[in-house]
Parts: sequence; structure tokens; C-alpha cells
Amino acid sequence: DTEVTQTPKHLVMGMTNKKSLKCEQHMGHRAMYWYKQKAKKPPELMFVYSYEKLSINESVPSRFSPECPNSSLLNLHLHALQPEDSALYLCASSQDQEFYGYTFGSGTRLTVV
Amino acid sequence: GQNIDQPTEMTATEGAIVQINCTYQTSGFNGLFWYQQHAGEAPTFLSYNVLDGLEEKGRFSSFLSRSKGYSYLLLKELQMKDSASYLCAVSTDRGSTLGRLYFGRGTQLTVWP
Repeated sequence: DTEVTQTPKHLVMGMTNKKSLKCEQHMGHRAMYWYKQKAKKPPELMFVYSYEKLSINESVPSRFSPECPNSSLLNLHLHALQPEDSALYLCASSQDQEFYGYTFGSGTRLTVV
Repeated sequence: GQNIDQPTEMTATEGAIVQINCTYQTSGFNGLFWYQQHAGEAPTFLSYNVLDGLEEKGRFSSFLSRSKGYSYLLLKELQMKDSASYLCAVSTDRGSTLGRLYFGRGTQLTVWP
């Protein structure tokens, strides 16, 4: 299995809703990432988990809450989002010992209404 | 800060050759990556350079000059399906920036018949 699986593929949520994005990989990668990408912009790093511990938080607002329950799973909990948070949310993973780039998931297209 | 620069747009004809340039100024260097991204989809890995020189992979080649902070992606025998955004990304030294990639803004390539 050489894939990173993200669910759901599309999500529409209201500003008062609570939802979660899910990311799963079974490649034994020990580093996992959340990126946010707006249209025609490059991906922007949000969070990095290394060995299931939060390693980097790029000053992301608290309405985004990451969670890494185990080495294969990464969640992003969403609460009280704003319309400007609408974007493509990408999960990625990489081997920790030698960094040869990411394997990206197919992304979740989030629309906040 | 980290600066990755690449042209915003390029156009080319089917069957032609196109070269997409990328220049970078980063604090530390641990490899340069090229990703292809079709609209609304996740980036897919194309190439990785860590040493100076040319890496060839089928119709795609990537070149790196670390002393000049310069890379290019060469696409040969262009096909319509090559129309996409091409992202240049740099990995800096490990440590506090574990596995982090700094992305350029992407070059939107349009291939005409």
C-alpha cells in the first residue's frame, strides 16, 4: 500500500458546525502533515506530527485542532470555521529517517458557508 | 525567510519541449522536489535532486545547481495531459524544520494542440 487516503473528498459545513477530516497511511511513515491550499496558491504548512507527537504548529488558529491517534492516522478537527477557511486540505506523509519528499493524499475540498 | 521563485505561467505546443525554471534562496538545503498538480487534485511527485546535475525519468528531467540556487524541470514530447501546475519545493536542513517543504507559487503550464 503506497497511498495516503483522505476522507471525505468534499465537505460543506456551516460556521457553527463541528467536523473532522481524516487521513490514513499504511506505509510505515512516521511523519505526517496537514497542508492548506487555496486556489492558484502553493500548499501552506499547518501541522507536522513526528512519531505521533506534534512537532510543528504554524501558528494555526485554534479552530483547527489536529490529532494523531496512532502512527497510521491523522485527524483534523474543525470548529467554528470562517468562509475564508474554504480550501483544499492536503494530508501528506514521509519516512522520518531519510526525507525523500511527501506522499500526498488526494485532499479534502472544504467549503464553509 | 525562504524564497522559492518560478514563473507563473507558460504555454507550449503538443510534442514540443518546455523548461520550467526555479530559483531558491533558503537557509539550508536538503533537496529539491518537483511536483505536478492538476486542478483540484493533490500534488504528485515528479523528481528529486539533492546533488548537482541532471536526473532523467522518462519524458521528465530535472536539473540542479546548488551553487547557483537553481533548478529546472524539462518536459519533452509534451502531451495535452501535461497541462497542470508544476510546483518547485525545497527541503531545508533537518532539525527544527523536520521534513518541511517550502513551495514555490507553481507554474501553470498549458499545452495547446
